[in-house]
Amino acid sequence: DQQVKQNSPSLSVQEGRISILNCDYTNSMFDYFLWYKKYPAEGPTFLISISSIKDKNEDGRFTVFLNKSAKHLSLHIVPSQPGDSAVYFCAASANSGNTPLVFGKGTRLSVIA
Amino acid sequence: EPEVTQTPSHQVTQMGQEVILRCVPISNHLYFYWYRQILGQKVEFLVSFYNNEISEKSEIFDDQFSVERPDGSNFTLKIRSTKLEDSAMYFCASMIEDYGGYSNQPQHFGDGTRLSIL
Repeated sequence: DQQVKQNSPSLSVQEGRISILNCDYTNSMFDYFLWYKKYPAEGPTFLISISSIKDKNEDGRFTVFLNKSAKHLSLHIVPSQPGDSAVYFCAASANSGNTPLVFGKGTRLSVIA
Repeated sequence: EPEVTQTPSHQVTQMGQEVILRCVPISNHLYFYWYRQILGQKVEFLVSFYNNEISEKSEIFDDQFSVERPDGSNFTLKIRSTKLEDSAMYFCASMIEDYGGYSNQPQHFGDGTRLSIL
C-alpha cells in the first residue's frame, strides 16, 4: 500500500542552494498535504501544508507546490542551511485533514556547509 | 510554543506483559491520535480519538490495543499482551478543533516512546 511515495531516500545539497524534495500520491481523495521534518530522537515537526484548492503555499524559506493533475507535490527550501539537515516526510489526508495522515517513507536531506 | 509530551521516552518490556504509553496533548486540542513507526518503515496510523471515543482505527489496532483519556489531560495507549512485533516508536499526535468540517489543521506530534519488547 503505497498511497504516498517519496522516491528519493536521500538528497545532498550545498549550503545556500535550493533543496527540492518530491512526493507523489495515488489516492485522489486526498485534499490536504503536509510536510514534516524529523530530527533523530524527536517526533515529526510540522513544517508547512497545502490544501487542494491551492497550488502553492509559502512560508519563509519553505514553499510547497501542488500539481493535482500529476498527483505530485514538492517542497522547496531556499536557501538551504545546515540546520535543515533532517528527514522530511510528506503526508496526506482526506476530508480537509479530518482523516488519519498517510505518510511517505521520508527523504533524508543533508545540507553540506 | 505548546507541545505534545510523551512518557516514557523508552520502555523495555518482556513479551506478554502489558504496557501503557502516556501522552499529554496540547491543551486546546480535541482530536488525538496514535501512530507507530517500526524501524526502517513508514509512520503508520493506529487510532484516532474524539469526544471520548474512538473515531477511526487501522487494521493494526486489534483487541490487544486500547486507548483512554482518563482525566481530561492524559491520553494513553495500552497494549495488553505485547508481542515482539510491537517493538516500534509510538507517536502521539493532537489536532485543534475542526471548524465545521473544513479544518485543514495540522496534527502536532510528540517525540515518541521507543518500545522494545524482549
